Amino acid sequence: GAGVSQSPSNKVTEKGKDVELRCDPISGHTALYWYRQSLGQGLEFLIYFQGNSAPDKSGLPSDRFSAERTGGSVSTLTIQRTQQEDSAVYLCASSFTHNSPLHFGNGTRLTVT
Amino acid sequence: DAKTTQPPSMDCAEGRAANLPCNHSTISGNEYVYWYRQIHSQGPQYIIHGLKNNETNEMASLIITEDRKSSTLILPHATLRDTAVYYCIVRGDSGGSNYKLTFGKGTLLTVNP
Repeated sequence: GAGVSQSPSNKVTEKGKDVELRCDPISGHTALYWYRQSLGQGLEFLIYFQGNSAPDKSGLPSDRFSAERTGGSVSTLTIQRTQQEDSAVYLCASSFTHNSPLHFGNGTRLTVT
Repeated sequence: DAKTTQPPSMDCAEGRAANLPCNHSTISGNEYVYWYRQIHSQGPQYIIHGLKNNETNEMASLIITEDRKSSTLILPHATLRDTAVYYCIVRGDSGGSNYKLTFGKGTLLTVNP
């Protein structure tokens, strides 16, 4: 079946511009996660959505970062006023329930020039 | 979540079994051992998970010691496509922030022809 889909696969933007990254989770998965992976670094948790519960935003690095999940399905991660240190691969994952295995997309590679 | 310790790198000959060790001496009774791998330029891929019994699926086997302080992921017949970073992660079953997967640096497995 279809896996987690992320778009765009690559995004180049100028410093100071806003960007939106999209994630389409696996159908029927109630939980959705965003992670970030900087060059040569490990995966860093950003935010978690589970059903209708309030999201866990504890990993968002600054108030320039926000995310929403509409209708319990598609999610958008927005970065306002991008900075060069925001350059990274942004990974989305979904899971059937909160304690099921996560399944990851292939990420969006963001480059801020 | 309990911390895990993995060797930074390992080599394996193509066709031979790859045995990847992981120490998790502070694991709690309700924490599972998860294994993921990340092939270059892709998102992490779920491999297998277990609580205390050994587990096997089409990808790998997971051997957990009786005291649960360590585990070994076994790829029975490694191929060149198994070259990747392998992550051993301990994850709680319920409550708190168990839904998050906390990734360490993993083991870079290189399968050689």
